[in-house]
Amino acid sequence: SQQGEEDPQALSIQEGENATMNCSYKTSINNLQWYRQNSGRGLVHLILIRSNEREKHSGRLRVTLDTSKKSSSLLITASRAADTASYFCATDAAAGNKLTFGGGTRVLVKP
Amino acid sequence: NAGVTQTPKFQVLKTGQSMTLQCAQDMNHNSMYWYRQDPGMGLRLIYYSASEGTTDKGEVPNGYNVSRLNKREFSLRLESAAPSQTSVYFCASLGQVGETQYFGPGTRLLVL
Repeated sequence: SQQGEEDPQALSIQEGENATMNCSYKTSINNLQWYRQNSGRGLVHLILIRSNEREKHSGRLRVTLDTSKKSSSLLITASRAADTASYFCATDAAAGNKLTFGGGTRVLVKP
Repeated sequence: NAGVTQTPKFQVLKTGQSMTLQCAQDMNHNSMYWYRQDPGMGLRLIYYSASEGTTDKGEVPNGYNVSRLNKREFSLRLESAAPSQTSVYFCASLGQVGETQYFGPGTRLLVL
């Protein structure tokens, strides 16, 4: 079973627009992480947000975490064609340091 | 530092054949993980090793075995490959609990 469920499954936007994707999870967590995966490649870590944090920024990325709703969002501002990738949330559950991944959001940024 | 390395990059097996996927990390991390990723899906944990000398099952361990050879190396073995094991396999390592995992480039496995 997957801890994280992502929404939407796919997203198509024009270069310069913002992209928002959401992740919901089921159990309490230590932290939640977002990863990017380009087609056929490995995973690249983007941001880690701890359970006592509500918002975090890294460059054009903004992540929010609402533990009461068990949900997180990833916002990519001013998107570029190079942002085309799949984005995954992963939760580090309170019971251990194993990551459980969502199914991912496939983002296509059109030039 | 090379980070997390995996060999081979790509492998084709026939049903019933065996093989070992190798993973090594040079970051002196304690914990190591094996995941599989099926098309269009997220990663699922197969086995992990919280520290040298220990291994534990993840979400989908059936059909696999692992060995934590030393602190650097964590191998995944398929004793009798099945078409359902066609997937991309990722190894990862973790330095400290609560921090981010570092992933290898993956091994693409096709079982015919």
